[in-house]
Amino acid sequence: ETGVTQSPTHLIKTRGQQVTLRCSSQSGHNTVSWYQQALGQGPQFIFQYYREEENGRGNFPPRFSGLQFPNYSSELNVNALELDDSALYLCASSALRVPYEQYFGPGTRLTVT
Amino acid sequence: SQELEQSPQSLIVQEGKNLTINCTSSKTLYGLYWYKQKYGEGLIFLMMLQKGGEEKSHEKITAKLDEKKQQSSLHITASQPSHAGIYLCGSPLLNAGGTSYGKLTFGQGTILTVHP
Repeated sequence: ETGVTQSPTHLIKTRGQQVTLRCSSQSGHNTVSWYQQALGQGPQFIFQYYREEENGRGNFPPRFSGLQFPNYSSELNVNALELDDSALYLCASSALRVPYEQYFGPGTRLTVT
Repeated sequence: SQELEQSPQSLIVQEGKNLTINCTSSKTLYGLYWYKQKYGEGLIFLMMLQKGGEEKSHEKITAKLDEKKQQSSLHITASQPSHAGIYLCGSPLLNAGGTSYGKLTFGQGTILTVHP
């Protein structure tokens, strides 16, 4: 069984730029959730995707957007990067029948300078 | 204030000691999930509690859910350096509309250090 993978591992961007983070879900899982974790905090829910559509969204502005592909992999796009976007971005996958039993990837560390 | 509050925020213990981490919710709990995280890495799923009074154990870690108190506890027996890390509780807390849309709300985490 393949676990959740994310790429890249680390990324450094400049304020105002755009970034795309990628996630491959665990085999057998059809739902992907994205979280942002600032230093010293718990993860904050960004949104969830199921069947290539956004299924729910947290308190994040529209410049945070996502995609899910037919193979259930997903992308997180952030436009007009701000310094406060610096964080660990976590992707989690789950099966629809147990949507809260979420398995996390290793994360992408984004630094905005 | 946090919807899920963990206590203590950090804990330093000597190897072999027992310890307990608590997670208290300001809302009704419909399930509680415990995760462990190494600094800067992803979350590792530990266990899921779904019913009031439920207790689960895995190796030396036991978790309990008290729905009436809106609280869960994670107990580690005879701690080892391999237990060190950040422990996070998460729950699908409902929003004002009565939904959670697959969102897990997390506590701020408890940092555990185990000295050999």
